[in-house]
Amino acid sequence: DAGVTQSPTHLIKTRGQQVTLRCSPKSGHDTVSWYQQALGQGPQFIFQYYEEEERQRGNFPDRFSGHQFPNYSSELNVNALLLGDSALYLCASSVTRVFDEKLFFGSGTQLSVL
Amino acid sequence: AQSVAQPEDQVNVAEGNPLTVKCTYSVSGNPYLFWYVQYPNRGLQFLLKYITGDNLVKGSYGFEAEFNKSQTSFHLKKPSALVSDSALYFCAVRDGRGRYSTLTFGKGTMLLVSP
Repeated sequence: DAGVTQSPTHLIKTRGQQVTLRCSPKSGHDTVSWYQQALGQGPQFIFQYYEEEERQRGNFPDRFSGHQFPNYSSELNVNALLLGDSALYLCASSVTRVFDEKLFFGSGTQLSVL
Repeated sequence: AQSVAQPEDQVNVAEGNPLTVKCTYSVSGNPYLFWYVQYPNRGLQFLLKYITGDNLVKGSYGFEAEFNKSQTSFHLKKPSALVSDSALYFCAVRDGRGRYSTLTFGKGTMLLVSP
């Protein structure tokens, strides 16, 4: 049983560019959450998707957008990249009807903005 | 908003000694608390959770955590540390209500276990 998979593992972009990160949740999971982990910091919640709709959003500008597909996979898009967007982006999946927040995390995408 | 604080950036312990990684919380209502561990170049892995019930929670890899309501703490403990326990540890709290709640994480504590 594959866990949460993310692609790509590493990415280098320049300021002003746009980037798309991808996530496939663990089998049987229907909810995907995205987190940003800056160097030396804990993960910061970006947004959460369930039934193809954004259900919760953290304190991130609308340059950050996402999408969930019918197969529960998800994309995170970031427009007009800034140097400060350099971070590890983590995808986590869960089963929404189970209220225990045992999130399963992927290994992340390391984004470097030059 | 719910929050957790991890007062130590790093904890050093010798192999075989007991370890404690500290976490305090600030919540309205009953806290749902979690510990996750992150190994290099890996995502976070769930260790244990406190929802209700016994104040001592047992989790994966021999870890346990003690919930203390009067001190608003949820410290992670292990009786005998292993070198392989060296990793980054995060305390987290459930934020929000209902099915769309999320986790708010602390900044993390690096645990270094020396041989």
